[in-house]
Amino acid sequence: GQNIDQPTEMTATEGAIVQINCTYQTSGFNGLFWYQQHAGEAPTFLSYNVLDGLEEKGRFSSFLSRSKGYSYLLLKELQMKDSASYLCAVRDSKSGGATNKLIFGTGTLLAVQP
Amino acid sequence: DVKVTQSSRYLVKRTGEKVFLECVQDMDHENMFWYRQDPGLGLRLIYFSYDVKMKEKGDIPEGYSVSREKKERFSLILESASTNQTSMYLCAIGSRNEQYFGPGTRLTVT
Repeated sequence: GQNIDQPTEMTATEGAIVQINCTYQTSGFNGLFWYQQHAGEAPTFLSYNVLDGLEEKGRFSSFLSRSKGYSYLLLKELQMKDSASYLCAVRDSKSGGATNKLIFGTGTLLAVQP
Repeated sequence: DVKVTQSSRYLVKRTGEKVFLECVQDMDHENMFWYRQDPGLGLRLIYFSYDVKMKEKGDIPEGYSVSREKKERFSLILESASTNQTSMYLCAIGSRNEQYFGPGTRLTVT
């Protein structure tokens, strides 16, 4: 089966670091995406990992371990505007033919407190 | 900047009406997608298209159809709207390592 798991909610303090985990089980694997979604808005692309290791982009980093079916998104120096849902999505190489569908988790709602 | 636009941000329709949601992109991407997003269920793929006039069913195609007559335009059609199709509808375009979403249409069926 296909399954993507993320915590439902997390709370963190402004200025701190938070790690949002994602575990997945899919038929095939062809990349993992992280998106940020503010309430009432569309998801915006944050990162893409296809090889093991850490990808850093400013205050945000994303890590992937394909053997463990595991990824995390690391947010540093948290700001109030980082309060949002964070969606993990896996591209399943065995579905959707050449297009390879994305399978989304239900998202982690992060609340940043002063 | 990638631009994906959707015809309406908010839409209210009656049960049984035929509803058209339109998505237009300016990036010349082959792949276009329609999702719906519901609380607790996440994003679910309705249909996608990988070329003009080509379409494939996603995970929840029942009650929907699509049309792609031009590369830049992908339409989602609700043949006879029902209350359980009240949702946020998101169009996306994508290539191998990126996928971009439109602003979304919040559809309410009464």
